[in-house]
Amino acid sequence: TQLLEQSPQFLSIQEGENLTVYCNSSSVFSSLQWYRQEPGEGPVLLVTVVTGGEVKKLKRLTFQFGDARKDSSLHITAAQPGDTGLYLCAGAKQAGTALIFGKGTTLSVSS
Amino acid sequence: NAGVMQNPRHLVRRRGQEARLRCSPMKGHSHVYWYRQLPEEGLKFMVYLQKENIIDESGMPKERFSAEFPKEGPSILRIQQVVRGDSAAYFCASSPRPPSSGYTGELFFGEGSRLTVL
Repeated sequence: TQLLEQSPQFLSIQEGENLTVYCNSSSVFSSLQWYRQEPGEGPVLLVTVVTGGEVKKLKRLTFQFGDARKDSSLHITAAQPGDTGLYLCAGAKQAGTALIFGKGTTLSVSS
Repeated sequence: NAGVMQNPRHLVRRRGQEARLRCSPMKGHSHVYWYRQLPEEGLKFMVYLQKENIIDESGMPKERFSAEFPKEGPSILRIQQVVRGDSAAYFCASSPRPPSSGYTGELFFGEGSRLTVL
């Protein structure tokens, strides 16, 4: 059983479109993180959400943490080819333990 | 370069040989994590180490795999008697401390070591 479920698994869109990807769990997390990974590279942290209901913006990316701290979403406005990559959410089951990752959403933005 | 350094970037081994993957964490980071990534399977946690200690190896296969993080030098992930199923990208990450009430545990990843077993 996957602790963090991400959907959709794959997403292929045209430049300029908006999209939302989701990260869901039945467990409560003290925080969730979003990473982006490009082919041949390691994941890079985009954002950490900590407070239930929190919304964070990073240019055209908007991250939201659910009120119950069990889920999170990432919304991209006016997607660009440079947004192409694997988007991963991650959280720690309990303090002092390693991060667990979802399987990720592979996003492809074509021009 | 103050980032996480992994080597080799690519490693080819024949079945039955040994693979050694190295990871030097970011300066000032004493917590190292190893993850394995297969296509469409995301990042699977393998082992979490601090200097000279294994903290959590719950994701590590019981046989053939071992990890260490000595007082001096890089962390090493060792795979003995490799099989084709070991072919994957192995990522190392580091952090200054683990997740706690005062720290959310962001990880800094290396670029990975890609193991191919022939």
